[in-house]
Amino acid sequence: NAGVTQTPKFRVLKTGQSMTLLCAQDMNHEYMYWYRQDPGMGLRLIHYSVGEGTTAKGEVPDGYNVSRLKKQNFLLGLESAAPSQTSVYFCASSYQLGQAARRLAKNIQYFGAGTRLSVL
Amino acid sequence: SQQGEEDPQALSIQEGENATMNCSYKTSINNLQWYRQNSGRGLVHLILIRSNEREKHSGRLRVTLDTSKKSSSLLITASRAADTASYFCATPPPGGTSYGKLTFGQGTILTVHP
Repeated sequence: NAGVTQTPKFRVLKTGQSMTLLCAQDMNHEYMYWYRQDPGMGLRLIHYSVGEGTTAKGEVPDGYNVSRLKKQNFLLGLESAAPSQTSVYFCASSYQLGQAARRLAKNIQYFGAGTRLSVL
Repeated sequence: SQQGEEDPQALSIQEGENATMNCSYKTSINNLQWYRQNSGRGLVHLILIRSNEREKHSGRLRVTLDTSKKSSSLLITASRAADTASYFCATPPPGGTSYGKLTFGQGTILTVHP
């Protein structure tokens, strides 16, 4: 049981290049999230998905696109990388909550190990 | 915008001492969570406390929640060098646990010296 796996672990891009970060989870979770972590900023939500085929914008979605073609995978794309996108990216997943569970507040998230991206 | 804010930003203690970290938040919540992040790793869930709970224990961890002050504290007793990490509080967005989303604070960096 690997949990949440992110690839690659490290990447260096030149400004204007594109890349895709892959997140895979083996816990059959419905919900998946992409965050970026910058010094002094905590974690900020980029995009999230509430199920296969669905995506939604988070707090800082500009410059990123996502896809959830399969329930276990959540891809984060940078079409034209900019130095401001230099960051550590984390993927997370969590269970879908029924109404009763939501009231009981079981929204724990499980994180991958992160991808460190530098854009030069 | 940040919902939770941790205090202090950094904490340095000796092994065996207790470490206390605080989190303040702005809007009403139905739960608050604490996560730990070791250097170069992802976040790991530590403990969840519901809005109708005032205190919760898990091993050497003790979490308190004061909804009237919109604040929570995480106490690590008898700290060990292995407790060195960043600690984050996290809360659901206003209005409830919308699709499991959480808003994370900026974290407290804890260093425990052997």
